[in-house]
Amino acid sequence: EAGVTQFPSHSVIEKGQTVTLRCDPISGHDNLYWYRRVMGKEIKFLLHFVKESKQDESGMPNNRFLAERTGGTYSTLKVQPAELEDSGVYFCASSQEVGADDYGYTFGSGTRLTVV
Amino acid sequence: SQQGEEDPQALSIQEGENATMNCSYKTSINNLQWYRQNSGRGLVHLILIRSNEREKHSGRLRVTLDTSKKSSSLLITASRAADTASYFCATAHFSGGYNKLIFGAGTRLAVHP
Repeated sequence: EAGVTQFPSHSVIEKGQTVTLRCDPISGHDNLYWYRRVMGKEIKFLLHFVKESKQDESGMPNNRFLAERTGGTYSTLKVQPAELEDSGVYFCASSQEVGADDYGYTFGSGTRLTVV
Repeated sequence: SQQGEEDPQALSIQEGENATMNCSYKTSINNLQWYRQNSGRGLVHLILIRSNEREKHSGRLRVTLDTSKKSSSLLITASRAADTASYFCATAHFSGGYNKLIFGAGTRLAVHP
């Protein structure tokens, strides 16, 4: 089966511009997650979709970040306007959970965002 | 705040040696998972250990979990140059019917031929 796909793999934008990241989860996975790793620090949780609904968006840093998952398939993460501190690697993951047992997430290769 | 703190931050060993990485966390968990990230690539799930398990093996990987100390260790035996990567522990917290994974900053492992 196809894995989790993220696009683009790299993006370099100027401060103040807008960037949209896309994630295509594994088909049939209801759960989709966005994470971010900044400057070699810990991988931080951003938000969690269950189908098209936002289950948990407690990790979203501020209102410059907007995530959507129309139709419960692919998801987009828009940063508008981008700031220097938004630079980092944005990971998307999907999973199909059974009750309390999580068999691990499948991650995409990430989008490396550089804001200059 | 994030939990799941790995140590050491960086580890450099020779091929054939064993590599041990540790992870500590702060709150109760449902399970703990280890992931690997090769340079420029995505995270790969390695192994999951549930809160009622103490040890788990998968090939050259051995994971232990001590819930009383809120700590876990990942042992890679007979390391290879291809094991060079960053390793992350992630704790799963079950809430509201779903699990939430919290990652640490990772351990950078370098295995020299």
